[in-house]
This record gives sequence, structure tokens and C-alpha cells, in this order.
Amino acid sequence: QVQLVESGGGVVQPGGSLRLSCVVSESTFSRYEMHWVRQLPGKGLEWVAFIGFDGSNKYYSGSLKGRFTISRDNSKSTVFLQMNGLRSEDTGIYYCATDVTWNFDHWGQGTLVTVSS
Amino acid sequence: QTVVTQEPSFSVSPGGTVTLTCGLTSGSVSTTYYPTWLQQTPGQPPRTLIYNTNIRSSGVPDRFSGSILGNKAALTITGAQADDEGDYYCLLSMNPDTRMFGGGTRLTVL
Repeated sequence: QVQLVESGGGVVQPGGSLRLSCVVSESTFSRYEMHWVRQLPGKGLEWVAFIGFDGSNKYYSGSLKGRFTISRDNSKSTVFLQMNGLRSEDTGIYYCATDVTWNFDHWGQGTLVTVSS
Repeated sequence: QTVVTQEPSFSVSPGGTVTLTCGLTSGSVSTTYYPTWLQQTPGQPPRTLIYNTNIRSSGVPDRFSGSILGNKAALTITGAQADDEGDYYCLLSMNPDTRMFGGGTRLTVL
């Protein structure tokens, strides 16, 4: 069973930065496209970003583009989310998910990001 | 900007059938949006039930089915069970480079 483990969340002041990581327990990680999805407190799911197999294709939610950057290291089976200029409204749980032909088939447990002074 | 719409809440009796829908504020949902349905229970990450309109994800019971009904995507639960309670989200591929979730439907089984 493929497992995803997110890390890197925590408390950060407004304007600060965090780098989230998601390690996938799958030796053929490069066959997965990857997404980051977030959930604000008490709210629904929000798609954040996508990265293709080799990292050449990257797409972002329009509201987040410019502050967030997705990347991956296939040698480490890891996808990253660099978040800059964080705001209180970015507070929430951040999930990573695998994507195989339009199927978000595996999800991590999420990592909590809190933006607060 | 186009928004993905879902019923805020729905209730179904145990053993009953319920159909949740996923639409757009502008336009119709079709298979080209690759509709995905996810279930989330409290404290848990989402779980994908249906992808690409009507394909069940691995391990999902066949009482969950997806379709296009009119101008919306639909998730039908046949023979609802108590542990089907939770939040259900629709996800659409708006174009090759953007995904969008609906606001979610809270399903109560009682």
C-alpha cells in the first residue's frame, strides 16, 4: 500500500515562509503526478498545485500563484511546497495526493500550517 | 469566475438511495471535466470514491456510482449505511492546468 507522509508544517508569523515535504513510499514515485490540496479550518477542500511526472509541468490555483512553488525530487520520492508571504488565511491542513490518470488515489494524513503573530 | 456547486446538505434513511450533484455556475458538467468524488469523515483525509465520472477507486463498494445527469455530475449511493455519513466533495478539471473543488455536501444518514 502506497503511503504518503507530509511534514514541515508549524507556526509561522505573517509574511513568513514554510517548506512542506511529502514523502511517498513507492519506488516508482516518478510514475505519479502529484497535487497539494489544503483545507482551511472548518471549510472545504481547496486545490493548491499540481506537478507532472518529471517536474516540467506545474500548475497553481490562481489565487496562490506567485507565493507558492511546487517541486519534486524523484530520487527521494518527495514532493515539496514552498510557501512564501504567508497570510493568516493560509492557515489550515495541507495534504499531498498522488494522481494516476485523473485518480487522486492516495492521500497523506496532512500537515497543519498555522500563520499567526 | 465559474464556481463548482454542490448541495450544502442532504439526508438519507439507512438503506435508502441518495443522489448528490455537482454543477457549474456557468455551463454544464460533462465527462471532459473528469469529475471526481471524494468522501471525508471527521479528522480524516479525503478518500477518493469515483474518478473520471464513473470509475470506482480501488476498494470502493459498488453501491457508490458516478454519472452525468443532465448538466451535472452525480454521485449515487444505493443502500446507504451509517458509516456513509460525512462530507462529499466534487472535483473538476476546469482545463488542463486547473482543478476546482465544490463546496461539499454534508450527508446525514438517519
